[in-house]
Amino acid sequence: AQSVTQLDSQVPVFEEAPVELRCNYSSSVSVYLFWYVQYPNQGLQLLLKYLSGSTLVESINGFEAEFNKSQTSFHLRKPSVHISDTAEYFCAVSSGGSNYKLTFGKGTLLTVNP
Amino acid sequence: NAGVTQTPKFRILKIGQSMTLQCTQDMNHNYMYWYRQDPGMGLKLIYYSVGAGITDKGEVPNGYNVSRSTTEDFPLRLELAAPSQTSVYFCASTSTREGSNEQFFGPGTRLTVL
Repeated sequence: AQSVTQLDSQVPVFEEAPVELRCNYSSSVSVYLFWYVQYPNQGLQLLLKYLSGSTLVESINGFEAEFNKSQTSFHLRKPSVHISDTAEYFCAVSSGGSNYKLTFGKGTLLTVNP
Repeated sequence: NAGVTQTPKFRILKIGQSMTLQCTQDMNHNYMYWYRQDPGMGLKLIYYSVGAGITDKGEVPNGYNVSRSTTEDFPLRLELAAPSQTSVYFCASTSTREGSNEQFFGPGTRLTVL
């Protein structure tokens, strides 16, 4: 069985400050890792994903995440946040296999204040 | 492509009523999923389908039914609505042919059972 723990339920920061949203996972097999973002009253959008290869993955809007196999972590970072980054962020893990199911963390609400 | 579409956007049901949440995707994805999202709990998998005519239970299937008669459609049926089914429901799809495991989400249906 696989599981995901997002260590912070809420993260308030000021605009232009750096931010890190933490995610740890557990799985007995190789995994694929994802960060999804949910803006208010919307569905989930893929932010970035790790499938294989380079352990550092980047999104088009300045976020990055690093896959750390020894620490079973996939923390999300951004060096300077904007008001528009205010949203809920979900970390998810999949082991592929025959059903490609995703297991989600409980989410981290990032609030960027002016 | 419209992607994943869901109807209705909002619905209020009385206890004991039934309804069907519609989900359609136009990306020719073979896998489809239904999740429910409750505050602070992340997303929980209700049912999923790996292709037309094949469905299976997820983590929280009680009180729900699904069918998959076509590749495009994956309706979710609530037979006897209960207050515990008040939630936001998301449909998602993915193509295992691409091997990325990325799931594409619909905009959600917000259901209230009174």
